[in-house]
Amino acid sequence: GEDVEQSLFLSVREGDSSVINCTYTDSSSTYLYWYKQEPGAGLQLLTYIFSNMDMKQDQRLTVLLNKKDKHLSLRIADTQTGDSAIYFCAETGASGTYKYIFGTGTRLKVLA
Amino acid sequence: NAGVTQTPKFRILKIGQSMTLQCTQDMNHNYMYWYRQDPGMGLKLIYYSVGAGITDKGEVPNGYNVSRSTTEDFPLRLELAAPSQTSVYFCASTPSGGNEQFFGPGTRLTVL
Repeated sequence: GEDVEQSLFLSVREGDSSVINCTYTDSSSTYLYWYKQEPGAGLQLLTYIFSNMDMKQDQRLTVLLNKKDKHLSLRIADTQTGDSAIYFCAETGASGTYKYIFGTGTRLKVLA
Repeated sequence: NAGVTQTPKFRILKIGQSMTLQCTQDMNHNYMYWYRQDPGMGLKLIYYSVGAGITDKGEVPNGYNVSRSTTEDFPLRLELAAPSQTSVYFCASTPSGGNEQFFGPGTRLTVL
């Protein structure tokens, strides 16, 4: 079945760049997403990329998509302590754009 | 708009008890979802609905039931609570043709 994998933890120093990686198995993915979850809250959409794009930039966020390797990454420039959260990769694939598959989440810790 | 609201925020159940987790959205979204989040496991889809009167099983439906009598409400029912159902439950909704899932704040359920 469809699967989305992420590493569980990432620690960076304030001001550095963070890169969170994700791999997925569904080659027919239409959209790929990055969500952020702060402690005690639900998920919030950060950004998404359509499967025919290689890159998308949105202020401090850069999303890179390598469709051949089924690899998605999220780069956060100038990481701040407020960026500490869990980041989830998700995709909507052949099962329909209304059905999402989420990764395990990467917990980002930003050290002051 | 209040967005997606969930009640209760916290609940402790004894094994074998039943309860209903409430979810309401005021955005007129057709698609609604129930997920459970276990530590290090990401989000698993329990049930989803593409419109009033239509529901379908997700990845982990056993032990749960849902109904969708109106566009706004999508309650999740646990009939015979088991310790394996200890989790954080999130409700989400998406508009038809949209990409973003809007999440509620979650219900933390403990079954002892």
